Amino acid sequence: DIQMTQSPSTLSASVGDRVTITCRASQSISGWLAWYQQKPGKAPKLLIYEASRLESEVPSRFSGSGSRTEFTLTISSLQPDDFATYYCQHYIGYTWSFGQGTKVETK
Amino acid sequence: QVQLVQSGAEVKKPGASVKVSCKASDYTFASYGITWVRQAPGQGLEWMGWISAYNGRTNYPQKFQGRVTMTTDTSTSTAYMELRSLRSDDTAVYYCARGNGHFDYWGQGTLVTVSS
Repeated sequence: DIQMTQSPSTLSASVGDRVTITCRASQSISGWLAWYQQKPGKAPKLLIYEASRLESEVPSRFSGSGSRTEFTLTISSLQPDDFATYYCQHYIGYTWSFGQGTKVETK
Repeated sequence: QVQLVQSGAEVKKPGASVKVSCKASDYTFASYGITWVRQAPGQGLEWMGWISAYNGRTNYPQKFQGRVTMTTDTSTSTAYMELRSLRSDDTAVYYCARGNGHFDYWGQGTLVTVSS
């Protein structure tokens, strides 16, 4: 099974900061990677799919990059609404797995 | 707009089964798969399996094989997830989501509590 490892597990940041979260796959997954945002008590929300494609109506401050085994989610200027937990998710051959999550909290 | 509406919270005893429903609306149900993801209290997201709403093909991770069954009813645009032989560590919020790769619409979640 492909393992997804996110880092860091927790990130302390301030409004306006540039934030980067990394997701590493245990083997190449090409570009089949998505990023989700989850707030407490809510379902996950799709932000990025196919590693770098921005989901409709997601603010452009979110961007994704990477390929094969290393991927990043970047928030160019952190906004108050962005404090949440972020998950990467790979998909290949009708199997999926999630990273363990990165909590973005207030510094 | 596209919606996935899940059934309500459940409380079950260890060893019992639970069946959660996920009713889809405002899209062509058979055009997308449905996945099920669960989240134990304070924990991350765990993929439980996927079903094609087109032909009923399923794929379950090894962890859940033999204990989970996913089905769909195209006449009512509803997906179901049944989990058997419940244990206390199955206590979680269970989500359905639409997609064949990434998942763009999610249900609101169903809390399943397993307790004696």
